[in-house]
Amino acid sequence: EAGVAQSPRYKIIEKRQSVAFWCNPISGHATLYWYQQILGQGPKLLIQFQNNGVVDDSQLPKDRFSAERLKGVDSTLKIQPAKLEDSAVYLCASSHPGLAGGRGDTQYFGPGTRLTVL
Amino acid sequence: DAKTTQPNSMESNEEEPVHLPCNHSTISGTDYIHWYRQLPSQGPEYVIHGLTSNVNNRMASLAIAEDRKSSTLILHRATLRDAAVYYCILKAAGNKLTFGGGTRVLVKP
Repeated sequence: EAGVAQSPRYKIIEKRQSVAFWCNPISGHATLYWYQQILGQGPKLLIQFQNNGVVDDSQLPKDRFSAERLKGVDSTLKIQPAKLEDSAVYLCASSHPGLAGGRGDTQYFGPGTRLTVL
Repeated sequence: DAKTTQPNSMESNEEEPVHLPCNHSTISGTDYIHWYRQLPSQGPEYVIHGLTSNVNNRMASLAIAEDRKSSTLILHRATLRDAAVYYCILKAAGNKLTFGGGTRVLVKP
């Protein structure tokens, strides 16, 4: 079974530029998550999709971050314009809603995109 | 979500057991105890989870206190590949994962 794919793996941009990250979840996984992980901290959830609908975007800085999952499969996270404090690893994860509390609740993470904003 | 408390770091010798504690005194009856780990330069990966009873799988064991206010992740024979940050997370079914700082495990050869 193929894992969660993300691209690019690394990106360096200057502040005020735009950047986009792509994620392809595990086939059949209806739920997709984007996390931000700042160096030395645990990942923080930015947005959660169930199929192509947003379930939780309470921690997404909506003035500069946007995300979409138009066909309920792959997803794109965009930052426009980027700030220095956006330097982080952006992780995508997916899960298949199965037995509540069971392994169906498990999230599978991609390798992440390391963003450096200069 | 209820909060967990973990030590910042732990060291172990290779091929010895590692016991990673996690305190969660405000756990609710619907919270599952999940453990994920993050190897260097990788995304987190699921390790194990449980509700009330101790759990075993091929990666680790999870020992849950009778009052559920604490738990311990046990790596039976640490290898160099087990060096990672281990996160203890309380999560109700269907709710989001909220990561804390985790415990950084160093395995010495």
